[in-house]
Amino acid sequence: DQQVKQNSPSLSVQEGRISILNCDYTNSMFDYFLWYKKYPAEGPTFLISISSIKDKNEDGRFTVFLNKSAKHLSLHIVPSQPGDSAVYFCAARRYNQGGKLIFGQGTELSVKP
Amino acid sequence: EAGVAQSPRYKIIEKRQSVAFWCNPISGHATLYWYQQILGQGPKLLIQFQNNGVVDDSQLPKDRFSAERLKGVDSTLKIQPAKLEDSAVYLCASSAITRTGELFFGEGSRLTVL
Repeated sequence: DQQVKQNSPSLSVQEGRISILNCDYTNSMFDYFLWYKKYPAEGPTFLISISSIKDKNEDGRFTVFLNKSAKHLSLHIVPSQPGDSAVYFCAARRYNQGGKLIFGQGTELSVKP
Repeated sequence: EAGVAQSPRYKIIEKRQSVAFWCNPISGHATLYWYQQILGQGPKLLIQFQNNGVVDDSQLPKDRFSAERLKGVDSTLKIQPAKLEDSAVYLCASSAITRTGELFFGEGSRLTVL
């Protein structure tokens, strides 16, 4: 049962343009959604999060949008830079489940100079 | 502040052998997680500890995997006997009690079972 899904395994974007990474979920009990970034041979690092009571959270070049009715969230990176090339994981936390995160399959972003 | 430490970084074993991974979380973090990441997939939770007690081990294959966190600080994850499908990166993470609940991950231990 895949509760968090990232349906695009890869995305290629030109430097300076917008990158949009998408994530869908099935469980309406999730209260926080997080995005992690992972470089090869490194562990995932936290990027940005959003509470289920918000519809947008912004941090510099990164913005996460949440559409609860559609059970969909997206990460926007503007402008994209070559250093943003990495695998991005969407994760969700269910209220009162001890803090564990459920991850999507990941989307590999490649930003071309 | 030191991050989550894991060792070894890489391990190659033959099937039916055993292997152990070690993790030292960020100082003061009460919660420790072990995740398994198979190539092309997202991390999957194996076990979660709160101090030295198990909170969730529902996804741990208990016939071959075991984990402990005896003094509520560092932890070991053991696989015995290993199977080919255990080839993966084993990620340790820790967290404090925060509103947003982010987990801090180590660099992972890559296991190859031949």
